Amino acid sequence: GESVGLHLPTLSVQEGDNSIINCAYSNSASDYFIWYKQESGKGPQFIIDIRSNMDKRQGQRVTVLLNKTVKHLSLQIAATQPGDSAVYFCAETPDGGSNYKLTFGKGTLLTVNP
Amino acid sequence: DVKVTQSSRYLVKRTGEKVFLECVQDMDHENMFWYRQDPGLGLRLIYFSYDVKMKEKGDIPEGYSVSREKKERFSLILESASTNQTSMYLCASSLTPLRTDRGTDTQYFGPGTRLTVL
Repeated sequence: GESVGLHLPTLSVQEGDNSIINCAYSNSASDYFIWYKQESGKGPQFIIDIRSNMDKRQGQRVTVLLNKTVKHLSLQIAATQPGDSAVYFCAETPDGGSNYKLTFGKGTLLTVNP
Repeated sequence: DVKVTQSSRYLVKRTGEKVFLECVQDMDHENMFWYRQDPGLGLRLIYFSYDVKMKEKGDIPEGYSVSREKKERFSLILESASTNQTSMYLCASSLTPLRTDRGTDTQYFGPGTRLTVL
């Protein structure tokens, strides 16, 4: 079956540094990707999304890069702050024709050290 | 801003009890979803609904049922709770009507209900 995975389960950075969280996907037909942030005890919060016709998309302090050649997605957080500490996970549409179902990765725990 | 609310943050029930989890969204979204989240397993789709009174099974529907009588409300029902249904339950909604050319839409999540079945 298709799956969305993460290269690293944990990431620890110093406050002010840039963070990069990676995600690999296996379905070349996936056409929509989302990054979510989940703080302890809360529901996932939408951060940024990207469609397969784009390579890069920027938000406030966040950038998502999509490399379709190697089926790789990354989330870059600039000037990481303690409030960024959370679990981050990516989601994809496993089937370009079904515009409702998302497949979620297991998540990466980001810890920001002051 | 999209707001998805869930009726309880924490719930403790006994084995065999009937459990209702309620979810309400205020953005007139077409689609609503119920997931459970467990350590090491990530988010797994239980059921979703793409219209009032319409529902489809997700990946793990066994032991659950759902109800969508109004567009803004989606209920998850555990007919006879069991200990293996102890989990974090997350409701989500998304805007785009299914099977259109507009492509997939972002799902917005509620705060979650942590259910413990004793």
